[in-house]
Amino acid sequence: DTGVSQDPRHKITKRGQNVTFRCDPISEHNRLYWYRQTLGQGPEFLTYFQNEAQLEKSRLLSDRFSAERPKGSFSTLEIQRTEQGDSAMYLCASSHQGVMTEAFFGQGTRLTVV
Amino acid sequence: DQQVKQNSPSLSVQEGRISILNCDYTNSMFDYFLWYKKYPAEGPTFLISISSIKDKNEDGRFTVFLNKSAKHLSLHIVPSQPGDSAVYFCAARENTGGFKTIFGAGTRLFVKA
Repeated sequence: DTGVSQDPRHKITKRGQNVTFRCDPISEHNRLYWYRQTLGQGPEFLTYFQNEAQLEKSRLLSDRFSAERPKGSFSTLEIQRTEQGDSAMYLCASSHQGVMTEAFFGQGTRLTVV
Repeated sequence: DQQVKQNSPSLSVQEGRISILNCDYTNSMFDYFLWYKKYPAEGPTFLISISSIKDKNEDGRFTVFLNKSAKHLSLHIVPSQPGDSAVYFCAARENTGGFKTIFGAGTRLFVKA
């Protein structure tokens, strides 16, 4: 297992289009997280799954955003009707279940909305 | 509201010297703290962590210190190496129910050869 994998690495889309990103976590990890990072800021939490259950969503996750993890393995993050303000790096991370565990991040998907 | 603050956007240090990166937090419910390192075009990489029941954790050249009363933690890198040049993120987590990790804005470290 080579770590958390995200696809695509880069996405350029026109405003108003829908986009979907995929994350494949480390195989034995049952927790999966989505973060968004903009220039000069740290990663901002979006949502978190434990297995297939979405347990927490940030208020940053508007109704245009939806995330799924249908079989408790890979996850998708969809943004509908993209806006220029959605341009950011979208990071996925995964971790073991446990109290004192660190999350391992993928390389991210850079979204540019033009 | 920024619950985790890294007030120094950048830090420049000579190779071989100590690098000290600082972080303050406001949420007294945080009980697990982490430092991540990020190189350009890569995701953050876990570096070191500390539980709130400790005040120091050491791993090779990296030591994290936690002062709970001051809600302050710091990362010491000794000796600093040019390969340590990266953005360092301080992060904190409440281990009561949710497991989301809150990140600071990061400090860019430059280690000069």
